[in-house]
Amino acid sequence: ETGVTQSPTHLIKTRGQQVTLRCSSQSGHNTVSWYQQALGQGPQFIFQYYREEENGRGNFPPRFSGLQFPNYSSELNVNALELDDSALYLCASSFWTGTWSEAFFGQGTRLTVV
Amino acid sequence: RKEVEQDPGPFNVPEGATVAFNCTYSNSASQSFFWYRQDCRKEPKLLMSVYSSGNEDGRFTAQLNRASQYISLLIRDSKLSDSATYLCVVLPDYGNNRLAFGKGNQVVVIP
Repeated sequence: ETGVTQSPTHLIKTRGQQVTLRCSSQSGHNTVSWYQQALGQGPQFIFQYYREEENGRGNFPPRFSGLQFPNYSSELNVNALELDDSALYLCASSFWTGTWSEAFFGQGTRLTVV
Repeated sequence: RKEVEQDPGPFNVPEGATVAFNCTYSNSASQSFFWYRQDCRKEPKLLMSVYSSGNEDGRFTAQLNRASQYISLLIRDSKLSDSATYLCVVLPDYGNNRLAFGKGNQVVVIP
């Protein structure tokens, strides 16, 4: 177990709806990253939060947004859902100090948009 | 051009055999390199870091060639439990902890 938990584990939404995914980071970690993994693809970086501030963003539209809370847990919000948003959403937590530190992944939230 | 390119396979490997695969990366300034393992419908987990000098962890050997910008993984004496997808991962820079993943190499070990 990585100590990183995500909720919910599965979700079905209708096109155009909004969704919020949650991630509880490992104790002592200060950074949470979110990734989208479509079927048959590797995870793609969405964005990262470090000490409650966005610290890097991948090639995703503004309808993907996030938050990090003082306890370093995080949310990913997606507005105006599209069919192509169907994927496994992974969060990863780490204790980042300016060089690489191992990121531990949660089990993911599997989102299906119909 | 994608940051990390991998030929997804699948790689069907007889039990006990050796399998090797490579990936290439586009950013010559990339800082760190890894192999992650992902079991079906599970989260990725770090298998090993990759160093220019080459490194070994039991039956697994990883190699980095910076000049040619490729990374390799070799699995010896394959076990049924090695069946998984192996993701080639690059840390493009130290500005954050963003990881760039390849598509993964799907390995199926056959009895």
